[in-house]
Amino acid sequence: AQSVTQPDIHITVSEGASLELRCNYSYGATPYLFWYVQSPGQGLQLLLKYFSGDTLVQGIKGFEAEFKRSQSSFNLRKPSVHWSDAAEYFCAVTHTGTASKLTFGTGTRLQVTL
Amino acid sequence: DAMVIQNPRYQVTQFGKPVTLSCSQTLNHNVMYWYQQKSSQAPKLLFHYYDKDFNNEADTPDNFQSRRPNTSFCFLDIRSPGLGDAAMYLCATSSFSGDRETQYFGPGTRLLVL
Repeated sequence: AQSVTQPDIHITVSEGASLELRCNYSYGATPYLFWYVQSPGQGLQLLLKYFSGDTLVQGIKGFEAEFKRSQSSFNLRKPSVHWSDAAEYFCAVTHTGTASKLTFGTGTRLQVTL
Repeated sequence: DAMVIQNPRYQVTQFGKPVTLSCSQTLNHNVMYWYQQKSSQAPKLLFHYYDKDFNNEADTPDNFQSRRPNTSFCFLDIRSPGLGDAAMYLCATSSFSGDRETQYFGPGTRLLVL
């Protein structure tokens, strides 16, 4: 069965600092990978996704993620964090040919200090 | 703008009193999902509709039902809410054609059970 691990439950960074959120997946075939962000009391907003091709994908709000097959990772990065980036971030995985089987990680809560 | 809409955003009900949550979409997507998200947890898939075909997750309690009268609307019915059903309920949609599915989420309905 596929699974997603987000090792960091909670991360605190200073505004303007760089950010990297870790995501590791377990899946036998080529995965489809996603990062979603959730602000308090809100739904999930898609930041970016990887299906194939260039392993470095650009998303909204200045985020990017890199797919590394050898490490089974899909880490999310941002060069300079803004206070408004404080939220919960979820990595998720699915695979070709099936609807619905989106498996989420447990999430990483990002706190930004001024 | 095309979007996923959930009503109401906040719902208060009494223990055992049936409640219905609503989701609509202007994306013309063929798949609609309902997730339950409890505090500090990842979303948990309850069920989904692929067109008119209903797909229930194995561990979704019988207390939860769903209806999809047309492409645009999907309802979540909780027949006898218990205190443990207090959660955020997220609706999502996707356009599935056998590959590369992306799910888009609504803002959620927060359910409080008194």
